[in-house]
Amino acid sequence: DIQMTQSPSAMSASVGDRVTITCRASQGISNYLAWFQQKPGKVPKRLIYAASSLQSGVPSRFSGSGSGTEFTLTISSLQPEDFATYYCLQHNSYPVTFGPGTKVDIK
Amino acid sequence: QVQLQESGPGLVKPSETLSLTCTVSGGSISSYYWSWIRQPAGKGLEWIGRIYTSGSTNYNPSLKSRVTMSVDTSKNQFSLKLSSVTAADTAVYYCARAIVMDVWGQGTTVTVSS
Repeated sequence: DIQMTQSPSAMSASVGDRVTITCRASQGISNYLAWFQQKPGKVPKRLIYAASSLQSGVPSRFSGSGSGTEFTLTISSLQPEDFATYYCLQHNSYPVTFGPGTKVDIK
Repeated sequence: QVQLQESGPGLVKPSETLSLTCTVSGGSISSYYWSWIRQPAGKGLEWIGRIYTSGSTNYNPSLKSRVTMSVDTSKNQFSLKLSSVTAADTAVYYCARAIVMDVWGQGTTVTVSS
């Protein structure tokens, strides 16, 4: 199985901050990576697919980059509605695996 | 706009079989893969498996011996069965479209308890 790790596991940030979350795969996954946002009690929402493609309707302050084994999700200017947990997902090979999540809360 | 809705019992006894159905509305179930994912309270997401509308499946090896997925294209539904459940199977269960999960159901909470 491909193991996904995320760093940091949690972070505190302020509105307006630039936030970067890293996801690493235990082996190369090309660009078969997606990012999801989940707010407490809510359904996960896809933000990014194919490592860097922005899901329709998602604000442009979200961006993704990377290929192979290292990927980043960047929020250019954190907004109040962005406080949530973020998960990466690899779908290069089975079983599909999620990262453990990064919780972004208010500083 | 495609919408998904999970349905099934919210309480299952230990050692019994959990059965859930996901109904697809606003679009056809055909020509897509459909996934099941679960999330124990306060924990991360776990992919359970996926099914294509032909009936072809891929399961997470960690659950493979207990999982069966099926699809009913006439009803625009696909289903999950998880056998021999224990308390560790208590979770919110989600259905989602495709392996890249662009559309999700609202989730249904399943508790395993006697």
